[in-house]
Amino acid sequence: DTAVSQTPKYLVTQMGNDKSIKCEQNLGHDTMYWYKQDSKKFLKIMFSYNNKELIINETVPNRFSPKSPDKAHLNLHINSLELGDSAVYFCASSQDDRGAQYFGPGTRLLVL
Amino acid sequence: GNSVTQMEGPVTLSEEAFLTINCTYTATGYPSLFWYVQYPGEGLQLLLKATKADDKGSNKGFEATYRKETTSFHLEKGSVQVSDSAVYFCALIHNQGGKLIFGQGTELSVKP
Repeated sequence: DTAVSQTPKYLVTQMGNDKSIKCEQNLGHDTMYWYKQDSKKFLKIMFSYNNKELIINETVPNRFSPKSPDKAHLNLHINSLELGDSAVYFCASSQDDRGAQYFGPGTRLLVL
Repeated sequence: GNSVTQMEGPVTLSEEAFLTINCTYTATGYPSLFWYVQYPGEGLQLLLKATKADDKGSNKGFEATYRKETTSFHLEKGSVQVSDSAVYFCALIHNQGGKLIFGQGTELSVKP
């Protein structure tokens, strides 16, 4: 069974569109995260949620809106997509905010 | 602020060679330290971790020791295999709600 899953795996879209990425974890963890990996493979946190409550919002443009319907899911909605949003987006989860984080397979977003 | 610095890649080794990837960090107090591995086209996998000074994390033949005096967490493996070819990321968490801070990644290529 996949521990942290994301859909879709690939997303190709036009500038200005709105898209969503879904994430689910079956590890029973309380905390979930979104990270962005740029073309140089640099990883940076975007958001974290603990038990459906927003904990970290790392100066991400407000075109990005995370939503956590329950503690096993954390979705990422992106409005008005821009070329610079092209990246790989990773979801992760952990039992608490000091524990090891387990990552999903990533969503490769390409904005044309 | 907190930061992680890794040695520049790519690192190219022959099979069965000894591997060291240097990682140093800047943080106050006692962060938890991690190594993650990213195989081509995949997500990040936790390789090993250490949560306090002098702890040694180990997994799959890889080891790293948390050295407070040198603020280092160097990754080592005695005999690398072609299947170890990947990008390796050093990271820390320190009292910031689970925010993983990553180094820039080190690409390892192992030749037969």
